[in-house]
Amino acid sequence: DTAVSQTPKYLVTQMGNDKSIKCEQNLGHDTMYWYKQDSKKFLKIMFSYNNKELIINETVPNRFSPKSPDKAHLNLHINSLELGDSAVYFCASSQVGLAGGPSDTQYFGPGTRLTVL
Amino acid sequence: GQNIDQPTEMTATEGAIVQINCTYQTSGFNGLFWYQQHAGEAPTFLSYNVLDGLEEKGRFSSFLSRSKGYSYLLLKELQMKDSASYLCAVLDSNYQLIWGAGTKLIIKP
Repeated sequence: DTAVSQTPKYLVTQMGNDKSIKCEQNLGHDTMYWYKQDSKKFLKIMFSYNNKELIINETVPNRFSPKSPDKAHLNLHINSLELGDSAVYFCASSQVGLAGGPSDTQYFGPGTRLTVL
Repeated sequence: GQNIDQPTEMTATEGAIVQINCTYQTSGFNGLFWYQQHAGEAPTFLSYNVLDGLEEKGRFSSFLSRSKGYSYLLLKELQMKDSASYLCAVLDSNYQLIWGAGTKLIIKP
């Protein structure tokens, strides 16, 4: 009965490869997010989706593309992986988003530790 | 620009009280969140403040002063399991969550 789940938990790959990370939430939330947390532990928002529409797209390289087949899923696809992409990637979801209030509380998945060699 | 400041690291003793401060300068304000993150784990929600004052939830309390752009998280009766990073985040006028870098709290016996 995990609320927000991500797969895989660990991902080790070579530079130049393409990889995907999957995220699913069973909370019935409308908004999902992807964050990158680097070695300095700073959380950086990458994307968010509300009702299958991209509503935040920070200045991340276009090698990163979010894909949301439905409201419960937001997958992250990364092309041509680089050494600097090594980090922990967190998926999160919130009930509403863009509403202000406790409904903006974000619930996080367990994270995917990506290592690019 | 938008800015959230928290101390990088704090140390406290088991059983004691510790206050973690957060100051913010953001474009608008729609609430402030505190999250706890244990090493190697995901952030988990602790509290949400949008009105001035103190919100108490068990051993944890969170305070907000909007006029001062200031919040603190107060942890009482510290336990070893409270060793973690504590993240302050502000919802700005565009409803984007702006995150602080987190405060690593070390609890000593």
